[in-house]
Amino acid sequence: EVQLVESGGGLVQPGGSLRLSCAASGFTFSDHYMDWVRQAPGKGLEWVGRTRNKANSYTTEYAASVKGRFTISRDDSKNSLYLQMNSLKTEDTAVYYCARVTTVAPGGGAFDIWGQGTMVTVSS
Amino acid sequence: DIQMTQSPSSLSASVGDRVTITCQASQDISNYLNWYQQKPGKAPKLLIYDASNLETGVPSRFSGSGSGTDFTFTISSLQPEDIATYYCQQYDNLPLFGGGTKVEIK
Repeated sequence: EVQLVESGGGLVQPGGSLRLSCAASGFTFSDHYMDWVRQAPGKGLEWVGRTRNKANSYTTEYAASVKGRFTISRDDSKNSLYLQMNSLKTEDTAVYYCARVTTVAPGGGAFDIWGQGTMVTVSS
Repeated sequence: DIQMTQSPSSLSASVGDRVTITCQASQDISNYLNWYQQKPGKAPKLLIYDASNLETGVPSRFSGSGSGTDFTFTISSLQPEDIATYYCQQYDNLPLFGGGTKVEIK
């Protein structure tokens, strides 16, 4: 079964750090771009960032709202995706989803597989 | 930067009604437009990719059309299980979602 499972969410104080993980199974993880998407409580979907595949040098992209604070990485040997979040702000409070990108076109493609999400709460 | 304007933000319709949602891009994005359905407490689900292609396993009452800057998502006959929020998403450059449309039963 094709599956993504996030973990690592929780409560953290403003200015703190947290590392999310996403475990992939049922497909060739190394072939795909992988993204993080978040959703603040009661709000819409916000793209967070991307890691491309090995063929595209594992390059990364970030939304302006998280650039310089968040880092996306991957370990293809472990079929795992990571999101290191530093200098967290209250506005980073959201459910964080990892998602598989369908194509390796310059802009990516659609998100055809999603994890169940992990909640991150930034509060004092 | 590309802006995505999705409308309406919410709608109420009867079972069996035809429902239409629009998404407008601030610049030409060709057919780089996808549509998702999200039910409360669940992850989004891909319904339509590349503006008009139905994802495998998605009922045929869902459809999409458009290219360039103007796109339309249609539910031909609204069913109770279609109650959800729908999002468009462009990928001409980096991904960007529309604001969402909450669909309710009248």
